[in-house]
Amino acid sequence: DTEVTQTPKHLVMGMTNKKSLKCEQHMGHRAMYWYKQKAKKPPELMFVYSYEKLSINESVPSRFSPECPNSSLLNLHLHALQPEDSALYLCASRDRLARIPGGTDTQYFGPGTRLTVL
Amino acid sequence: AQKITQTQPGMFVQEKEAVTLDCTYDTSDQSYGLFWYKQPSSGEMIFLIYQGSYDEQNATEGRYSLNFQKARKSANLVISASQLGDSAMYFCAMREGYQGAQKLVFGQGTRLTINP
Repeated sequence: DTEVTQTPKHLVMGMTNKKSLKCEQHMGHRAMYWYKQKAKKPPELMFVYSYEKLSINESVPSRFSPECPNSSLLNLHLHALQPEDSALYLCASRDRLARIPGGTDTQYFGPGTRLTVL
Repeated sequence: AQKITQTQPGMFVQEKEAVTLDCTYDTSDQSYGLFWYKQPSSGEMIFLIYQGSYDEQNATEGRYSLNFQKARKSANLVISASQLGDSAMYFCAMREGYQGAQKLVFGQGTRLTINP
């Protein structure tokens, strides 16, 4: 099973709203990722969590706030976003850092959340 | 830093034909991994195939195979007997960094269209 789930599937929010994106995996992976993807571009890395600790922050504006409450769950809290933040937000988990050793460092992605900021 | 180059922005192929998507990479590391992902219009990034730099055989997964030429630094994806459902964006990627600070470097992608 290589399933990563993301909710919601679609989100429309105003610039003054606060919302959260949720990502979940039950594969025992201990590294989880947030990516932002604009149309016709490759995904851009935002954050990496390794063993529930933030290991990479790619200079993302503070209006994006990640949280990893446990090894299966990753949240992205959104506040005071701009219209240019409208994009597909992808979550991924990586198989090498896992409770069961092995893997090829493959990242498995969720279906994404399409975010529109009005 | 690693770099991935996909030189074909778009490709059009007849159904049932084989198709090769190009990917070249640049790295100074001896140990590295290369990945191909498929992204349909729905948005999900689907992992297709992996090739490790020390793997002696080219990777294969069903209709997907990876033509790995280490000296040329190329890792082309070959899809045999293409199907309409293969129409999607395809990304080649390489891992960069180690342990908890590892990330993927993506190419710009190739949009593949399969014509009936």
